[in-house]
Amino acid sequence: SQQGEEDPQALSIQEGENATMNCSYKTSINNLQWYRQNSGRGLVHLILIRSNEREKHSGRLRVTLDTSKKSSSLLITASRAADTASYFCATDGRSGNTPLVFGKGTRLSVIA
Amino acid sequence: EADIYQTPRYLVIGTGKKITLECSQTMGHDKMYWYQQDPGMELHLIHYSYGVNSTEKGDLSSESTVSRIRTEHFPLTLESARPSHTSQYLCATQKGGYNEQFFGPGTRLTVL
Repeated sequence: SQQGEEDPQALSIQEGENATMNCSYKTSINNLQWYRQNSGRGLVHLILIRSNEREKHSGRLRVTLDTSKKSSSLLITASRAADTASYFCATDGRSGNTPLVFGKGTRLSVIA
Repeated sequence: EADIYQTPRYLVIGTGKKITLECSQTMGHDKMYWYQQDPGMELHLIHYSYGVNSTEKGDLSSESTVSRIRTEHFPLTLESARPSHTSQYLCATQKGGYNEQFFGPGTRLTVL
């Protein structure tokens, strides 16, 4: 299985602080995605980083990818209470035609 | 907001009942997926489909079946519900050749 593993499982920070979540995976990939899930809802796509990219930005989000270590990190800067959610990484397979494999998620709580 | 609809949103039933969870989409996406997820926990792939009349089993496919007679419709049937089926069921779609998955709002199932 190439299931991703997020670290930490849970994270609690104060509003305005940065939040960093990590994801490790096991096999080669074409790209890695990060999703967000508010409590009781479906997942929402945040950002995708390709295997030939090392860093990508989108608003307050910064994603890095280290294919040699098979790991990725998601940084949320200047966090807000509305960022409280679970965050999942998802990897594809090298063949490109296999379903995404989601990690176990990091539950982020941002305290106002 | 992705146009993916799941019905019912909440369902409470007794053990042994046969149930069908509905998922429909208006985006014309080829690929559709069913996931089972306990609140805030990892996603488990149950079934997926890459097009009409094409269905595949995921990691957690036992005791359930799916059909894909039309592009926009991907129902999931539990032949005999058990308390262990109590969970949230998420439907997702993906356009062929693209990486992002779009998720429905989910069905929260409770089996007594």
